[in-house]
Amino acid sequence: GAGVSQSPRYKVAKRGQDVALRCDPISGHVSLFWYQQALGQGPEFLTYFQNEAQLDKSGLPSDRFFAERPEGSVSTLKIQRTQQEDSAVYLCASSSPTEADTQYFGPGTRLTVL
Amino acid sequence: QKEVEQNSGPLSVPEGAIASLNCTYSDRGSQSFFWYRQYSGKSPELIMFIYSNGDKEDGRFTAQLNKASQYVSLLIRDSQPSDSATYLCAGVNSGGSNYKLTFGKGTLLTVNP
Repeated sequence: GAGVSQSPRYKVAKRGQDVALRCDPISGHVSLFWYQQALGQGPEFLTYFQNEAQLDKSGLPSDRFFAERPEGSVSTLKIQRTQQEDSAVYLCASSSPTEADTQYFGPGTRLTVL
Repeated sequence: QKEVEQNSGPLSVPEGAIASLNCTYSDRGSQSFFWYRQYSGKSPELIMFIYSNGDKEDGRFTAQLNKASQYVSLLIRDSQPSDSATYLCAGVNSGGSNYKLTFGKGTLLTVNP
């Protein structure tokens, strides 16, 4: 079946611009995670949804980062007033209720802030 | 201090050899451990998970977990050039309802033909 999809795959933004990154999880997966991966590092947790509820946003680095999943399926990660340090790959992952701790990752969005 | 530590490598082995990748963790509440493979420019791909102390084998891959020593490893037998990638170790503290993964920095493995 279809895996996790993300769009856009690449995004170049000028410093100060707002960006929105989209994630389509695997159908039926109630849990959705966002991670940030800087070059040469492992992914770092940003936020977690169970259905439409955002249960953990402790990893969001600042109040410029905002995530939503209003209907419990597609999720959007929004970054306001982008800064150069926001440049990274943003990964979305989802998991099913029967395998709650087994996450499947999307291809990621590579964000470059100039 | 990062909660999951890996030797960043790089680790280089000849084709056909055994590659050994190691990981330590500091959170004793971590209950499940995962090995992901990440090719350059690609997203992490799950290759193994382990919950119980001891060994778990899947084809050429063996994961080992020692909770007393807080140590996880991945052995790749008969290494192939296609195994060349970064291997990420991750733990989950599933005592609560959040199954967020805590990753190490990754170990870059190169298998030389």
